[in-house]
Order: sequence, then C-alpha cells, then structure tokens
Amino acid sequence: QQPVQSPQAVILREGEDAVINCSSSKALYSVHWYRQKHGEAPVFLMILLKGGEQKGHEKISASFNEKKQQSSLYLTASQLSYSGTYFCGTAGRPFTGANSKLTFGKGITLSVRP
Amino acid sequence: KAGVTQTPRYLIKTRGQQVTLSCSPISGHRSVSWYQQTPGQGLQFLFEYFSETQRNKGNFPGRFSGRQFSNSRSEMNVSTLELGDSALYLCASSLRTSWNEQFFGPGTRLTVL
Repeated sequence: QQPVQSPQAVILREGEDAVINCSSSKALYSVHWYRQKHGEAPVFLMILLKGGEQKGHEKISASFNEKKQQSSLYLTASQLSYSGTYFCGTAGRPFTGANSKLTFGKGITLSVRP
Repeated sequence: KAGVTQTPRYLIKTRGQQVTLSCSPISGHRSVSWYQQTPGQGLQFLFEYFSETQRNKGNFPGRFSGRQFSNSRSEMNVSTLELGDSALYLCASSLRTSWNEQFFGPGTRLTVL
C-alpha cells in the first residue's frame, strides 16, 4: 500500500526549518528517503530501519516512529539546494528476496526561496 | 565511476506500437529496478531484476516486461502502447537489492500519441 506523504507542498525561506512526514497504514520495517531536483534523477538521502537510530545527512535528519507507523524528515536551516521533491519508500518486513518490493509515496514538493 | 545510463532519452510513439528501453547499471551493481513516474503519482515500481532473474514485480499489466543480461544491463519492453503509458521511465541500480542505496539514471521520456 502506498505511503502517504504530508504536507503536499512546502514553501519556505532560506534558513527556515521544515518537517515532512511519511505515514503507512501498515507496520513499517524500513523507510527510504530520496530527493529529486527538478529535471534530475532521484538521489538517495538515507534509510531508516525499525529499531534503528535517528539518522542525519548534513542538516537533514530523519526519525522512525514505530508506534505511529511514520517517519519524519527534518530539514534544518534550509538552503536553496534543498528545493526538490522528496519521496519516501517503505517496506513492511525484512528483505527476503522475492516479494520484497519498496512502495513509494507520491512525493512532497519543497521550495526554498531566497 | 560512470553512473547509470539510459537510452534513448526521449521517445515518441503512437498507440498500439511497442517500445524497448535500455539501462546500463553502475559497474558491479547486480540489481536493476524500473520505475514509472507520472505527475502526481510519484515513483511507481515496475520490476526488479537480479542475476538475470525477475525478483520482484509491481502492479502493472503484462504489457510491461523486462529482462536482464549477464552483464547486468537491463531492458524494459512495453507492448501495445496506450496513451496512459506516457511517462518518465527511470532505471535504478544497486549493489544487491533495491533496499540498498539506489542510483537512478536520467530516465527515458516516453510520449504516446
């Protein structure tokens, strides 16, 4: 089932913070975050696993809340380069080979203005 | 290290035709996944290949098929094209599984008239 990402769009000014969410109606095992800049291919940000620690990538960090079946991506002191569409991909159980596909959300467009 | 390459970059076809897209993964990567991207729908998973075998498949009709060669290069085929097949088709490679970090190619923009 496709995860739900919220909010649908984010507009902020350089230096502001933002939080975007990825929610699943089923139990989550892993959440995979990617960012796609306009006209470019998606680029990997990070993977979070159930029971794992919060992760960070420069000023972008993420958390995994098992009870809420949700992951949140935190963008701190945003830069113009953070603009793009953020996708989360989710899996409900450990990887076993077959029948272990990721399901991606529709993405959230984030625009950072000067 | 060369990135993922996809050919062709742009294609225009008419309804009923078929099309073949090609993807060359990063050297050493054995997993290749294909995604369809349309406005508002995000990344829709098509299938994943590993060691020349389809390991996972998304919810697409049988008109969508693929294969992987011994050098890990992959092709995707769409037969009997429909207008709704117009999309950006992305290929991604990873070391062993799509659950590892995936490296995406620039995509093939398919337009069906």
